[in-house]
Amino acid sequence: DAGVIQSPRHEVTEMGQEVTLRCKPISGHNSLFWYRQTMMRGLELLIYFNNNVPIDDSGMPEDRFSAKMPNASFSTLKIQPSEPRDSAVYFCASSTGVSTSYEQYFGPGTRLTVT
Amino acid sequence: GNSVTQMEGPVTLSEEAFLTINCTYTATGYPSLFWYVQYPGEGLQLLLKATKADDKGSNKGFEATYRKETTSFHLEKGSVQVSDSAVYFCALCVVNTDKLIFGTGTRLQVFP
Repeated sequence: DAGVIQSPRHEVTEMGQEVTLRCKPISGHNSLFWYRQTMMRGLELLIYFNNNVPIDDSGMPEDRFSAKMPNASFSTLKIQPSEPRDSAVYFCASSTGVSTSYEQYFGPGTRLTVT
Repeated sequence: GNSVTQMEGPVTLSEEAFLTINCTYTATGYPSLFWYVQYPGEGLQLLLKATKADDKGSNKGFEATYRKETTSFHLEKGSVQVSDSAVYFCALCVVNTDKLIFGTGTRLQVFP
């Protein structure tokens, strides 16, 4: 299995531009998670989906952030407009479903730099 | 609420030294507990887990025991290697969800 796939691996953009991060979860996994990692705030859950439906988006910073999961094999996280404080590593993770003991499998992350 | 507190790093050890990384939690109910490891430039990987009180999770020489009375899940290894150098995250799963709450992470540096 290829694992969770994220693209791009690195993104550099200017303030005000739209940024779209992409994730392909592991085939057969029903839950998908978007995290943001920074030195100051650590690892934060932004949003998660179960069976393509958003379950909890309480971690989404503000209206500039949006996430979609149009099908079981693809999700996007969009930032519009981007700001320098959005610079971080964004991780996507997937798991087999809703359970307190299921492992989450993380992708390699997208390092976003907003100048 | 739900939260996880880890000891701050970095933890610096010589090869073959004993490792302890402390983790305590606050939670509603009895959550499952996890340790994840992040190697440089990579995503997090599950290291071990425990799903109920007194369970011991173990993997690759690392161990952690779910202590309900002290709300702790300390990570230990008897003899660390240079290849164990990484950032270690303690996490809990919020009861009745699959939402993980992570600690801030503890960087471990092992020198030969």
